[in-house]
Amino acid sequence: DTGVSQNPRHKITKRGQNVTFRCDPISEHNRLYWYRQTLGQGPEFLTYFQNEAQLEKSRLLSDRFSAERPKGSFSTLEIQRTEQGDSAMYLCASSLEGYSNQPQHFGDGTRLSIL
Amino acid sequence: ILNVEQSPQSLHVQEGDSTNFTCSFPSSNFYALHWYRWETAKSPEALFVMTLNGDEKKKGRISATLNTKEGYSYLYIKGSQPEDSATYLCAFRTLSGGGADGLTFGKGTHLIIQP
Repeated sequence: DTGVSQNPRHKITKRGQNVTFRCDPISEHNRLYWYRQTLGQGPEFLTYFQNEAQLEKSRLLSDRFSAERPKGSFSTLEIQRTEQGDSAMYLCASSLEGYSNQPQHFGDGTRLSIL
Repeated sequence: ILNVEQSPQSLHVQEGDSTNFTCSFPSSNFYALHWYRWETAKSPEALFVMTLNGDEKKKGRISATLNTKEGYSYLYIKGSQPEDSATYLCAFRTLSGGGADGLTFGKGTHLIIQP
């Protein structure tokens, strides 16, 4: 069991730059979730995929954010024209749905710092 | 907007003592309540997924109870050990509505076990 893998672990960039993060879920998991966590807060839901279909997006996901899961395996989260407020930990999780209430398995996250 | 509250925000406990903390969530449209443990520099680890009113789950020295009618869950740790030091997050999954399949997290209880 290789677990959920996220890359990079840390990203430092200047305001206005674009950034892209990658998440590799547990291989047999059909659902993949993105969350954002800022200091002092719990993780906040951004979006999720079932296989390659993006089924839900939070209102937190502004039009500068886009997520893809082209082949139903790994996913990317891109932030365009980054702003100071985008500094956060971005967490990816996967689960196997179709069975009642499976836990979500999280990666270590990508910590984004905007200078 | 779904509101998940955890108390206390932080807790210092002497090694060997038992402790507990609370998660409050909306009592309507309940689907599931998740508990996670998040140690520094690691990924959140799933502890329990609870779905039925009156449910009790146990994993080693950690146990949890669920009351969906009044909207609360307790997490108990018996005989605390230093390795129990972590942030404990609860997360609510609603039956319907926006973010139905994403989890709504509380801010967590930060537990420090003092030797």
